[in-house]
Amino acid sequence: DQQVKQNSPSLSVQEGRISILNCDYTNSMFDYFLWYKKYPAEGPTFLISISSIKDKNEDGRFTVFLNKSAKHLSLHIVPSQPGDSAVYFCAASDRGSRLTFGEGTQLTVNP
Amino acid sequence: NAGVTQTPKFRVLKTGQSMTLLCAQDMNHEYMYWYRQDPGMGLRLIHYSVGEGTTAKGEVPDGYNVSRLKKQNFLLGLESAAPSQTSVYFCASRTSGGTDTQYFGPGTRLTVL
Repeated sequence: DQQVKQNSPSLSVQEGRISILNCDYTNSMFDYFLWYKKYPAEGPTFLISISSIKDKNEDGRFTVFLNKSAKHLSLHIVPSQPGDSAVYFCAASDRGSRLTFGEGTQLTVNP
Repeated sequence: NAGVTQTPKFRVLKTGQSMTLLCAQDMNHEYMYWYRQDPGMGLRLIHYSVGEGTTAKGEVPDGYNVSRLKKQNFLLGLESAAPSQTSVYFCASRTSGGTDTQYFGPGTRLTVL
């Protein structure tokens, strides 16, 4: 039972355009969400998070949107840069000790 | 601060061999985790620990054992390696309070022949 799903294995965008990565979840107990970024041969690094009491959180070029009624979150990157090319994982927490991760989306930003 | 470190970075085993992966963190974190990453399957939790001397099973614990004898170290053991355990293994840690953000090590690439 995949509680966190990233339905797009890959996404390709042009430099300077917007990248939108999507994530859906099924467990209504999840109330904190995170995005991680992973380069090849490195560990995932934390990017941005959002609590369920908010519907938007912004950090520079990165914005995460949360739609609780649809159980959907998205990560927007504007403008996209070639250095943003990486695998992006969304993760969800029910405020216990564990995170549940999605499958990941490979983002490629073309110069 | 080195953060989270993992030893070794690469390893090749033959089926049936055993090995131990070491994770160390210098952030005084209470919680530590072992994940495996396989293509198209994201990060799956193997075992975790919420404090020194404690361990718990995650999503895919079979074939693995763990120990947390010291707060800063979390060991993952494979008693009898199988080809299905070929994967990239990541260790992570976090504090017990505050946000749920976990901090990851650089990974260990394990191949079982």
